[in-house]
Amino acid sequence: NAGVMQNPRHLVRRRGQEARLRCSPMKGHSHVYWYRQLPEEGLKFMVYLQKENIIDESGMPKERFSAEFPKEGPSILRIQQVVRGDSAAYFCASSAGPGSTYEQYFGPGTRLTVT
Amino acid sequence: GENVEQHPSTLSVQEGDSAVIKCTYSDSASNYFPWYKQELGKRPQLIIDIRSNVGEKKDQRIAVTLNKTAKHFSLHITETQPEDSAVYFCAVMDTGRRALTFGSGTRLQVQP
Repeated sequence: NAGVMQNPRHLVRRRGQEARLRCSPMKGHSHVYWYRQLPEEGLKFMVYLQKENIIDESGMPKERFSAEFPKEGPSILRIQQVVRGDSAAYFCASSAGPGSTYEQYFGPGTRLTVT
Repeated sequence: GENVEQHPSTLSVQEGDSAVIKCTYSDSASNYFPWYKQELGKRPQLIIDIRSNVGEKKDQRIAVTLNKTAKHFSLHITETQPEDSAVYFCAVMDTGRRALTFGSGTRLQVQP
């Protein structure tokens, strides 16, 4: 029973480059959430997606960040023109559909370092 | 928006003692309250959760209590073991929205 999968686990980008983070939800889960964790801090909600739909992006920075969850394939969080302040651990979580439980299960995270 | 406060930020106990971590929240619409354990460099792991229609839930050495009127909930770990050492995060959810709002975390150290 595969859990939530994320890749890459570690990503190094120079300032100005693009970062693409991938998340495959747990089998049977159709809801995906992205959270960001700065060093020594809690997790901050970024965006909530279902297949082909962004449901809530209230935590996403207005510029340079975008997310998608296509009909086929993983969810992708894209950060354009990265800056040093984007260095953080990015966690994806998934949950089952509406009308079921609310538990969110997290992937191992992608640790982004911007040099 | 929702505001979650978590205390204490660090907690050191002797093996076998109990540990209690408390969280308060601001949005009365919140109705789902999970707790996560995160070891260094690892993913947050769901350890227990409670819904707003329940006052207490227990799973072996772990229990969570909820006071919805006062808007606070607590994690209780009994008979602590060194492997309980980790950072613990409380979280709250308005299930109409489904995004989790996390507390700032409690670093628990269990001394052997």
